[in-house]
Amino acid sequence: DQQVKQNSPSLSVQEGRISILNCDYTNSMFDYFLWYKKYPAEGPTFLISISSIKDKNEDGRFTVFLNKSAKHLSLHIVPSQPGDSAVYFCAASGYGGSQGNLIFGKGTKLSVKP
Amino acid sequence: GAGVSQTPSNKVTEKGKYVELRCDPISGHTALYWYRQSLGQGPEFLIYFQGTGAADDSGLPNDRFFAVRPEGSVSTLKIQRTERGDSAVYLCASSFQRGGYNEQFFGPGTRLTVL
Repeated sequence: DQQVKQNSPSLSVQEGRISILNCDYTNSMFDYFLWYKKYPAEGPTFLISISSIKDKNEDGRFTVFLNKSAKHLSLHIVPSQPGDSAVYFCAASGYGGSQGNLIFGKGTKLSVKP
Repeated sequence: GAGVSQTPSNKVTEKGKYVELRCDPISGHTALYWYRQSLGQGPEFLIYFQGTGAADDSGLPNDRFFAVRPEGSVSTLKIQRTERGDSAVYLCASSFQRGGYNEQFFGPGTRLTVL
């Protein structure tokens, strides 16, 4: 049973529009959430994170929203650019990110069309 | 200043053989993680080292899998009697342990194919 779920395997958006990637989790012990971006033949690259004590974190074009009551988080990319085309993984940690393993979702492949 | 490196980038072996996968973490990073990514899945945790010792090996699927980090830097993941189901990309990550969030930096992975 997956503790971190990304129910959309793929998403296609037009350049300049907003991309919204969603993630749900089941384990209430998770207290740190992260988004990683992965290009083919490369390892995942950290994008943005959020602690469970916050409901929003913003970094440039990227914003992550956390709804603890719904056990749901989302990544917003505005405006989307063709270079954002990649697989995005949602991940969670039960250690405040200070140690220990990350639990990953299956990923969402984002395609941004010019 | 190099990132995490992994060798080989690709490994093809036959069922029943033994393989070793190597990870060179970022210099100074005390924590090292191994993950396995099967087709269509996200990375799945295998084992975590803090220094030379395995702090958490709960993700190793069975006793055919073993990992070492004898000097607290380079790590080797060892798989005995490989099976076709072991085919996956094996990812290594490292982080610098400090208070608060510690970003895990991933290597490019080793693609293992068991025929």
